[in-house]
Amino acid sequence: QKEVEQNSGPLSVPEGAIASLNCTYSDRVSQSFFWYRQYSGKSPELIMSIYSNGDKEDGRFTAQLNKASQYVSLLIRDSQPSDSATYLCAVNVRGSTLGRLYFGRGTQLTVWP
Amino acid sequence: DAEITQSPRHKITETGRQVTLACHQTWNHNNMFWYRQDLGHGLRLIHYSYGVQDTNKGEVSDGYSVSRSNTEDLPLTLESAASSQTSVYFCASSGPGLAGNEQFFGPGTRLTVL
Repeated sequence: QKEVEQNSGPLSVPEGAIASLNCTYSDRVSQSFFWYRQYSGKSPELIMSIYSNGDKEDGRFTAQLNKASQYVSLLIRDSQPSDSATYLCAVNVRGSTLGRLYFGRGTQLTVWP
Repeated sequence: DAEITQSPRHKITETGRQVTLACHQTWNHNNMFWYRQDLGHGLRLIHYSYGVQDTNKGEVSDGYSVSRSNTEDLPLTLESAASSQTSVYFCASSGPGLAGNEQFFGPGTRLTVL
């Protein structure tokens, strides 16, 4: 089992819809969870960090964390074509605060007008 | 503004040559990382450093080396380039504490080994 699993997609939603991206992880002591957005040909860009169970909202983005289920998700409300990108889930390694992360392979999202 | 830069952005080299990719950050971060990204594999960690004179191997370190002589720079060297090392290489850095897991990425270097 890989440390971080994401639906490979691609996920396609119409403009204005809610896009839901899911991620599961295997390391029960992980404390830090991240979502990165990567446009084609560009580098990953951090868009959300979440450390506690529950929801964290930032604009149109909501990250949801359930440590008991080892599950983290990203909701994008009112999806826009500019949200079309690959979304990477990342989890810290063995509870380390020293920065090592496990990355999922990413979910490709397409938002069509 | 603080940033992380990589150079060159594109590089074409021949099999067997030594290649060094530069990474420079002005965040004053202790932690620095090198990844390669290939289709079907996602981001794979090559080497990382938690501070000056500290280096560690990641999951795909064979054929690569790094050195950390100051806080700002972590150059990645391919000792003898191979076609299998054709990839996009990303450098990242992160700071202290729990938020130290937040990694910030450079723009990447696209390396082609012929």
